[in-house]
Amino acid sequence: ETGVTQTPRHLVMGMTNKKSLKCEQHLGHNAMYWYKQSAKKPLELMFVYNFKEQTENNSVPSRFSPECPNSSHLFLHLHTLQPEDSALYLCASSPTGTNQPQHFGDGTRLSIL
Amino acid sequence: GDSVTQMEGPVTLSEEACLTINCTYTATGYPSLFWYVQYPGEGLQLLLKATKADDKGSNKGFEATYRKETTSFHLEKGSVQVSDSAVYFCALLYSGAGSYQLTFGKGTKLSVIP
Repeated sequence: ETGVTQTPRHLVMGMTNKKSLKCEQHLGHNAMYWYKQSAKKPLELMFVYNFKEQTENNSVPSRFSPECPNSSHLFLHLHTLQPEDSALYLCASSPTGTNQPQHFGDGTRLSIL
Repeated sequence: GDSVTQMEGPVTLSEEACLTINCTYTATGYPSLFWYVQYPGEGLQLLLKATKADDKGSNKGFEATYRKETTSFHLEKGSVQVSDSAVYFCALLYSGAGSYQLTFGKGTKLSVIP
């Protein structure tokens, strides 16, 4: 039980499809994050939200579109993805404005055909 | 900017062997330091943390000491088990853009064989 739940766990999609990844946290945190984990590369921070407001966009292509309707939910909308976007996408949450660690979900394994 | 460098893997050990995974950092100020572990098919789990110099984090037999003089946070375990096979990430927490953000090392894959 991580407290951060991601769905789906696995997703296969074509380059012209549109899909969304969902993240939900039950920890009472106000900061949420999307990371990309590719083989043989360090974890890449994609987006940061604090109190539903985006505070960081780490030069992510516009084919990735995040949405944070409330402090407990975070989405990543995907469209017109490329094969190099195949990766594990991890969601995390933490209390805002503290030096407490982030709590991660188990990720969505995304494969682009 | 702040960064973390950890030893490249993979590391293969026999059960009950000693483990050390080196981690050094570059940072302005005094970041908090963490070790995360990722088991196959799962996300990252916090293994241990240290928030100031000379702090020792420990959990599940693993230990790491925050060494300001050598800017290091090496992960150690005296006797590894097969169940410790995983990828280990060193990370530091820094303040940026109105929030605290993690920067990770590249990860070290540990395989423990019976």
